[in-house]
Amino acid sequence: QVQLQQSGAELVKPGASVKMSCKAFGYTFTTYPIEWMKQNHGKSLEWIGNFHPYNDDTKYNEKFKGKAKLTVEKSSSTVYLELSRLTSDDSAVYYCARGGVVDAMDYWGQGTSVTVSS
Amino acid sequence: DIVMTQAAFSNPVTLGTSASISCRSSKSLLHSNGITYLYWYLQKPGQSPQLLIYQMSNLASGVPDRFSSSGSGTDFTLRISRVEAEDVGVYYCAQNLELPFTFGSGTKLEIK
Repeated sequence: QVQLQQSGAELVKPGASVKMSCKAFGYTFTTYPIEWMKQNHGKSLEWIGNFHPYNDDTKYNEKFKGKAKLTVEKSSSTVYLELSRLTSDDSAVYYCARGGVVDAMDYWGQGTSVTVSS
Repeated sequence: DIVMTQAAFSNPVTLGTSASISCRSSKSLLHSNGITYLYWYLQKPGQSPQLLIYQMSNLASGVPDRFSSSGSGTDFTLRISRVEAEDVGVYYCAQNLELPFTFGSGTKLEIK
């Protein structure tokens, strides 16, 4: 069955970078884009961007340009989100989701918690 | 960016009765192809969001038919008939009409 498995929680220092992963199972990886969202504690969801493994097309929310970078490792059906120059504002849970057949985010990963603290 | 507006809390409902949750968009989500790009997600406590409704009125796979959704181009309503305890959580509306995709702030379903 379709699953998205995300990497574990991260504790990182201010100014550093973090790279988290989203590994897809149970479907043809190149068929659908992978979407990434940020959820501050107890708050709403922000769309960061998406990556389509079929043609490597990448789109970013303007707000996250320069902060987020999406890459792929097709051999392992994995999309990566790297966040740079971390501040306390980047402390959040980050979700990946599959952009499915009907343009909906139909399957979600379990989330990766990032805490930025010295 | 398209702004999605939701109330923070629903009207309190008793289990077994109906609930409605509203959402408004700052721009019509009706595309020229006739599809309205409005989605509903539920985030249960401690869980990831899950898809309930796609393209305004279509039930996602595995979602009970107690859930339904309707609306115009900018005003939308999610209805839950016969609310069950497992329905508690925060309901988010979202738009995929144009980038950046945006979400409402979420409505917490209140049970009496």
